[in-house]
Amino acid sequence: SAVISQKPSRDICQRGTSLTIQCQVDSQVTMMFWYRQQPGQSLTLIATANQGSEATYESGFVIDKFPISRPNLTFSTLTVSNMSPEDSSIYLCSVSWDRGRGELFFGEGSRLTVL
Amino acid sequence: AQKVTQAQTEISVVEKEDVTLDCVYETRDTTYYLFWYKQPPSGELVFLIRRNSFDEQNEISGRYSWNFQKSTSSFNFTITASQVVDSAVYFCALSELSRQLTFGSGTQLTVLP
Repeated sequence: SAVISQKPSRDICQRGTSLTIQCQVDSQVTMMFWYRQQPGQSLTLIATANQGSEATYESGFVIDKFPISRPNLTFSTLTVSNMSPEDSSIYLCSVSWDRGRGELFFGEGSRLTVL
Repeated sequence: AQKVTQAQTEISVVEKEDVTLDCVYETRDTTYYLFWYKQPPSGELVFLIRRNSFDEQNEISGRYSWNFQKSTSSFNFTITASQVVDSAVYFCALSELSRQLTFGSGTQLTVLP
């Protein structure tokens, strides 16, 4: 496994603003993903962060709302744009070293509250 | 399409009791992987176990054990002699080959002292 650090760990934001969440891994990883966990709900995959190219988004998520960067094999950012109260969630960065087996390790999450 | 069902939304037990968390899955693939994760109140997801579809051996790790039965498409998780620190949300997840994880809705386990 690896140490996966997310910043911020929590934040309170105003409606209409944007916030960027950072994910830093202490070793190079093959795959990086961003998940959303709405209050009391399960995890939903937002997108796969691809190194050096555009992220691959899941159905229901778009780049304009959730722009993602991955400049190298250890770092990624997720921006939540033009936030509304419905965006209040835990956002989790996850990593994997194996494309085929799906085993994921998670950061501690970023808990966002939008007023 | 892959699907994971955790029918138990919440379970409460008294410390030292045994508890089993149920997980039923659906998949059309013959090769797939099953997982359990623990999410304590701090929010971080902790990986507990991965099983592949060709290995139906039950596994025991300390107080934790897992019962994988392909005949019933179930992958149940038992905690023996539960402790207060076991209180958390537990997620079962499924991954078909080269596809992303699909998580169940989770089971909130509360262990009372």
